[in-house]
Amino acid sequence: NAGVTQTPKFRVLKTGQSMTLLCAQDMNHEYMYWYRQDPGMGLRLIHYSVGEGTTAKGEVPDGYNVSRLKKQNFLLGLESAAPSQTSVYFCASSYDEAAPYEQYFGPGTRLTVT
Amino acid sequence: KQEVTQIPAALSVPEGENLVLNCSFTDSAIYNLQWFRQDPGKGLTSLLLIQSSQREQTSGRLNASLDKSSGRSTLYIAASQPGDSATYLCAVGGRIYGQNFVFGPGTRLSVLP
Repeated sequence: NAGVTQTPKFRVLKTGQSMTLLCAQDMNHEYMYWYRQDPGMGLRLIHYSVGEGTTAKGEVPDGYNVSRLKKQNFLLGLESAAPSQTSVYFCASSYDEAAPYEQYFGPGTRLTVT
Repeated sequence: KQEVTQIPAALSVPEGENLVLNCSFTDSAIYNLQWFRQDPGKGLTSLLLIQSSQREQTSGRLNASLDKSSGRSTLYIAASQPGDSATYLCAVGGRIYGQNFVFGPGTRLSVLP
């Protein structure tokens, strides 16, 4: 049981390049989330998914797109990277329909956009 | 909009001390509250989850309390050890964005040997 895994761990992009971050969970969780963490600002929700085939916007969705084609995977895409997207990105998953239960986090992806 | 604050931002204590970390939130209509630990350059590890109907949760040397009416939670760490050095984050669960958590900025704890 690997829990939540993220690929890649590190990445450096040039402004305007695109990339996809992959999150995978093996706990059969319905809910999955993408956060970004910036110094002094805590974690902020980018997008989330409440089940396979569904996605929705969080607090800071601009510049990002997501897809949840399979229940165990949640992809975060940057179509045209900007320096403001330099951050550490965390994926999380949880289960329960009625209320947000305990969230399990991946190890993070450190992205630098130059 | 739910806002979560944590005081102090940083704390340094000698080994063996008991300490309290504070978390405050502006909207008392929450589902639960979760405390996490984050080591430098690492992900978040869940410590305790308190449901809105509960007053406290305990795990080993950790005790978390919740007072919804006053919008506060505390994390009590007994007999601190150097291995407890990390950043501690609280997150308030609600329905702002589907099922999600709003995070505080964290308290950076250093336990000196």
